[in-house]
Amino acid sequence: EIVLTQSPDFQSVTPKEKVTITCRASQSIGSSLHWYQQKPDQSPKLLIKYASQSISGVPSRFSGSGSGTDFTLTISSLEAEDAATYYCHQSSGLPLTFGGGTKVEIK
Amino acid sequence: EVQLVESGGGLVQPGGSLRLSCAASGFNFDNYAMSWVRQAPGKGLQWVSAFSGRGGSAFYPDSVKGRFTISRDNSKSTLSLQMNSLRAEDTAVYYCAKGTGSATYHAFEIWGQGTVVTVSS
Repeated sequence: EIVLTQSPDFQSVTPKEKVTITCRASQSIGSSLHWYQQKPDQSPKLLIKYASQSISGVPSRFSGSGSGTDFTLTISSLEAEDAATYYCHQSSGLPLTFGGGTKVEIK
Repeated sequence: EVQLVESGGGLVQPGGSLRLSCAASGFNFDNYAMSWVRQAPGKGLQWVSAFSGRGGSAFYPDSVKGRFTISRDNSKSTLSLQMNSLRAEDTAVYYCAKGTGSATYHAFEIWGQGTVVTVSS
């Protein structure tokens, strides 16, 4: 099983600050890494697919990078509406797995 | 508009069974892989099962293999999950999710609102 380790678990950030969340895979997964945003009491929402591909309708302040085992989700300038938990997910091999999540709080 | 609507959740005793359904609309259901993903209270996301598109196959993690069965009715654009021998640790919100392609190995681009399953005596 491919284990995804996210860091940090929690981040308290001031609006307009840059946010960086990392996801490390236990083995190489190429670019088969996706990022989701989940706000309280809502379903997850796809933000970035295949490490760096943007999703229609997602604000341009969200971007992804990385390949192999190390991946990053960046929010270039945090807005209040970005308060949420962020998850990475790998589709390189079965079972499909998720990272443990990173909760982003607005200071 | 692409939409997924789950139903069938509820309270069930340990060892019992439950069948979840997901009604899909707004896209060519046959062509896409579909999955179930669950989230236990206060916890992260866990993939539960997938059925690839275009007449494909079903896949499960070890935690539910032999207890859960995923199926799809392409004529009705419906995904189902038959859950047997339920345990307390199966308590979660169950989401139906649409893949970005026909193969299982894709991102989940659309999610339903979820249905709550509680396993308790």
